[in-house]
Amino acid sequence: GENVEQHPSTLSVQEGDSAVIKCTYSDSASNYFPWYKQELGKGPQLIIDIRSNVGEKKDQRIAVTLNKTAKHFSLHITETQPEDSAVYFCAADILTGGGNKLTFGTGTQLKVEL
Amino acid sequence: AAGVIQSPRHLIKEKRETATLKCYPIPRHDTVYWYQQGPGQDPQFLISFYEKMQSDKGSIPDRFSAQQFSDYHSELNMSSLELGDSALYFCASSAERGVHGPYNEQFFGPGTRLTVL
Repeated sequence: GENVEQHPSTLSVQEGDSAVIKCTYSDSASNYFPWYKQELGKGPQLIIDIRSNVGEKKDQRIAVTLNKTAKHFSLHITETQPEDSAVYFCAADILTGGGNKLTFGTGTQLKVEL
Repeated sequence: AAGVIQSPRHLIKEKRETATLKCYPIPRHDTVYWYQQGPGQDPQFLISFYEKMQSDKGSIPDRFSAQQFSDYHSELNMSSLELGDSALYFCASSAERGVHGPYNEQFFGPGTRLTVL
């Protein structure tokens, strides 16, 4: 089955700096890669996703890049703010007859310091 | 905008008891997914339903069962509870397959925190 690795496990940045989280996946058939933000005591919130037919996608301060050849994808957050502090999960879609079955990375605890 | 609703939000049970978790998907969403998240862990896929039929199965123990009803809400039934079942259980839903392709975004509910004593 699919295996998703995520690094780093913790990331501390100063407010206004950029943050980068990287993930690798194992199944070359995966073609959908969402990123979720999870605040304490809440459910994961979809913040951005990318499909395998594009290499980059941007939404305001958030961008995601995908390298299908290397099976890498990354989340980039610019001009970080304290409210960006949370756990971020990458995920990959396993192609099955039943559709979506997300495999998550192990998460990155992002802390934005004032 | 309406979100996924889960009930109860918190549940405390004794070992060997049973528990039922409920999920109400976003209106017009027809696919429901269940995930289990242990402390400090990533969510693990358990099972999913599309149009009231089981569509995929993950690491769901045989002690657990689930179904989706005609109004698209879903219930996760857990029997012979063990201490290791203590976790956050999330339900997610997605929109009709075929409209946006087979890779529709999953929207997560707030979760049910199950504690087994």
